[in-house]
Amino acid sequence: DIQMTQSPSSLSASVGDRVTITCRASQGIRNDLGWYQQKPGKAPKRLIYAASSLQSGVPSRFSGSGSGTEFTLTISSLQPEDFATYYCLQHNSYPLLTFGGGTKVEIK
Amino acid sequence: EVQLVESGGGLVQPGGSLRLSCAASGFTFRSYEMNWVRQAPGKGLEWLSYISSSGTTVYYADSVKGRFTISRDNAKNSLYLQMNSLRAEDTAIYYCARVSEWTPDYWGQGTLVTVSS
Repeated sequence: DIQMTQSPSSLSASVGDRVTITCRASQGIRNDLGWYQQKPGKAPKRLIYAASSLQSGVPSRFSGSGSGTEFTLTISSLQPEDFATYYCLQHNSYPLLTFGGGTKVEIK
Repeated sequence: EVQLVESGGGLVQPGGSLRLSCAASGFTFRSYEMNWVRQAPGKGLEWLSYISSSGTTVYYADSVKGRFTISRDNAKNSLYLQMNSLRAEDTAIYYCARVSEWTPDYWGQGTLVTVSS
């Protein structure tokens, strides 16, 4: 089974900061990775698919990169509405999917 | 507008059964593969199950294999999850999600299942 490890599990940042979240796969998964944002009490929202493709309607301050075993979600300038929990999701073993453990982005 | 609306959650005793439904609208349901994903209170997301667009192919996470059954009725634009032999650790919010580009793109609002005596 493919395991996904996210880091950090939480972080504190200020509005305007550049934020980077990392996801590592236990084996190579090409670019078969997506990123999701979840706010309290809400369903997850897809931000990125195929490691670096921006979902329609998602602000361009969000970007994804990486391939193989290491992936990054970057928020170039953190906005108040970006405080949330972020998850990576691998689909290399599709249709069996694996989520990362999540990264909670909090206000400093 | 794509909409997915789950229903059927509630309180059930350990060992009991529950059937969740997901009503789809705003897209051609029969053309899309679908997933169920759950989230235990205060925890992360867990993929549970997949069903092909025709309903002929299904997959499950090891944690629910043999206890849960995914199905769909394309004539009714509906997805289902039959949950048997429920355990306390199955307590979670259950989401249905449409698959596009290999991963869920649209999600329902979720339905809460509580397994407790």
